[in-house]
Amino acid sequence: EAGVVQSPRYKIIEKKQPVAFWCNPISGHNTLYWYLQNLGQGPELLIRYENEEAVDDSQLPKDRFSAERLKGVDSTLKIQPAELGDSAVYLCASSFTGDEQFFGPGTRLTVL
Amino acid sequence: SQQGEEDPQALSIQEGENATMNCSYKTSINNLQWYRQNSGRGLVHLILIRSNEREKHSGRLRVTLDTSKKSSSLLITASRAADTASYFCATDTGRRALTFGSGTRLQVQP
Repeated sequence: EAGVVQSPRYKIIEKKQPVAFWCNPISGHNTLYWYLQNLGQGPELLIRYENEEAVDDSQLPKDRFSAERLKGVDSTLKIQPAELGDSAVYLCASSFTGDEQFFGPGTRLTVL
Repeated sequence: SQQGEEDPQALSIQEGENATMNCSYKTSINNLQWYRQNSGRGLVHLILIRSNEREKHSGRLRVTLDTSKKSSSLLITASRAADTASYFCATDTGRRALTFGSGTRLQVQP
């Protein structure tokens, strides 16, 4: 069974530029999560989808971050414009039961 | 914000020894989970313990949960060099979303 796929694995951009991350969850997993992980810290939830509906986006900085999950399968997280403080690892996870979550390898973003 | 706090922040042991990590949290939970993260990789689910359970085993892992003290511990017995990783506790308060602690970095010396 294929795991959660994320791309790109690494991204380096100049501040004020836009950036997008893509995630393909495990087949059949209706719940999809985006997390942000700063160095030396645990992941922090940005947004949770149930199928194509964003049911928990209270921690998403909506002035510059946006996400979509069209057709309830893969998802894209966008930052526009990026700031220096956005440098982090962006993790995608999916779940079937709502208990155990399966994580992708993450995208490491560096904003210069 | 981080709901859980792991203790210690870092732990270094010899291969074959046991490793114990503790986690404290602040609010009532449905379940508590432990995840492992190898350097530069995603997180891997290790074990889940529900709020009505006190102890759970999986292979070399033993997890305890004390809801009265809002704390949990993860014991890894007979550690191996391959157990070197960061370990995170995560709590689910019923929102189907996890709140992670800041992790314990375990180093197992061969």
